[in-house]
Amino acid sequence: GAGVSQSPSNKVTEKGKDVELRCDPISGHTALYWYRQSLGQGLEFLIYFQGNSAPDKSGLPSDRFSAERTGGSVSTLTIQRTQQEDSAVYLCASSLGLSGDTQYFGPGTRLTVL
Amino acid sequence: GDSVTQMEGPVTLSEEACLTINCTYTATGYPSLFWYVQYPGEGLQLLLKATKADDKGSNKGFEATYRKETTSFHLEKGSVQVSDSAVYFCALHPGGAGSYQLTFGKGTKLSVIP
Repeated sequence: GAGVSQSPSNKVTEKGKDVELRCDPISGHTALYWYRQSLGQGLEFLIYFQGNSAPDKSGLPSDRFSAERTGGSVSTLTIQRTQQEDSAVYLCASSLGLSGDTQYFGPGTRLTVL
Repeated sequence: GDSVTQMEGPVTLSEEACLTINCTYTATGYPSLFWYVQYPGEGLQLLLKATKADDKGSNKGFEATYRKETTSFHLEKGSVQVSDSAVYFCALHPGGAGSYQLTFGKGTKLSVIP
């Protein structure tokens, strides 16, 4: 079946602009995660959605970052007033939402802030 | 908090050499342990997992055993191939209720030369 998809695959933006990154999880997966992969920091957790519960936003690095998940499926990560240090690959993953289950990752969105 | 420590790379091996990538973890409770692989230009893929002590995960000739007494999950392969060249990430997924984000090690880049 279809895996996790993300769009766009690449995004180049100017400092100070807002960007939106999209994630389509695997159908039937109730849990959705956003991570960030950067050279200096490795893989960092950003935010987690599970069903209709309030999201765990504990990994968001600043209030410029926000995410929503509509209808328990598609998610959008928004970065406002982008900074150069936001340049990274943003990865989305989904899972069944059970303890110990496997997270399946999308191909990522490479964000470059000039 | 939870943490994962894996050996620093890069690691360069000749084809058919033995591979060990060390991974140790710190976690409360009973985490599940994972190895993910990222081939050049591709997204993260699950390589193998183990959900409880003494479990052995295996896939594509790779193995790792969940050792609770040494809090380790070392990745091994008896004979590497050029196609195994990739970045390998050890990760843990906490047990119990609550958020299930993965905590990753910093990754180990493996290059296999003919």
